[in-house]
Amino acid sequence: EAGVTQFPSHSVIEKGQTVTLRCDPISGHDNLYWYRRVMGKEIKFLLHFVKESKQDESGMPNNRFLAERTGGTYSTLKVQPAELEDSGVYFCASSHLDRNEKGYTFGSGTRLTVV
Amino acid sequence: DQQVKQNSPSLSVQEGRISILNCDYTNSMFDYFLWYKKYPAEGPTFLISISSIKDKNEDGRFTVFLNKSAKHLSLHIVPSQPGDSAVYFCAAIEYNYGQNFVFGPGTRLSVLP
Repeated sequence: EAGVTQFPSHSVIEKGQTVTLRCDPISGHDNLYWYRRVMGKEIKFLLHFVKESKQDESGMPNNRFLAERTGGTYSTLKVQPAELEDSGVYFCASSHLDRNEKGYTFGSGTRLTVV
Repeated sequence: DQQVKQNSPSLSVQEGRISILNCDYTNSMFDYFLWYKKYPAEGPTFLISISSIKDKNEDGRFTVFLNKSAKHLSLHIVPSQPGDSAVYFCAAIEYNYGQNFVFGPGTRLSVLP
């Protein structure tokens, strides 16, 4: 099966610009997660979708971040306007609705650099 | 405050020797733990897991030990191989009620030939 796909793999934008990250989960995976790793720190939870519904968005840093998952398939994460501290690697992950003993399947991440 | 800690940012081991990566957690409700392995420019991939009903789980060269009273787990790799060089993340969850895994900051393992 195809894995979790993230696009773009890299993005360099200026402070104040807008960037949209996309994640295509594994087909049939109802759970979709966004995580972020900043400066070699922990992989930090941002939010969790179950199908098209936001189950938990407690990790979203502020209202400059907007995530959507229209139709319960792919998801987008928009940062508007971007700030320097938003730089990091944004990972998307997906899993089946039932508890998955092997955790999530991660995408390769999008490395965002805000200059 | 970090709920999952990996206090060694990096570790170097000679090929053929044992690698021991450590992880500590603060939330006593965590009862299921995973280790992920991450190569550069790739996403983390599942390596091994352990439930709190066990204190050891083994899969080939990889063994995870769990000490619930100390809130500590460790990953042992024996023998270490150069291909094991990667960043290893510890992750934890309250299995039946938790919504998402909580990750540590990772330990970069370098296995020297």
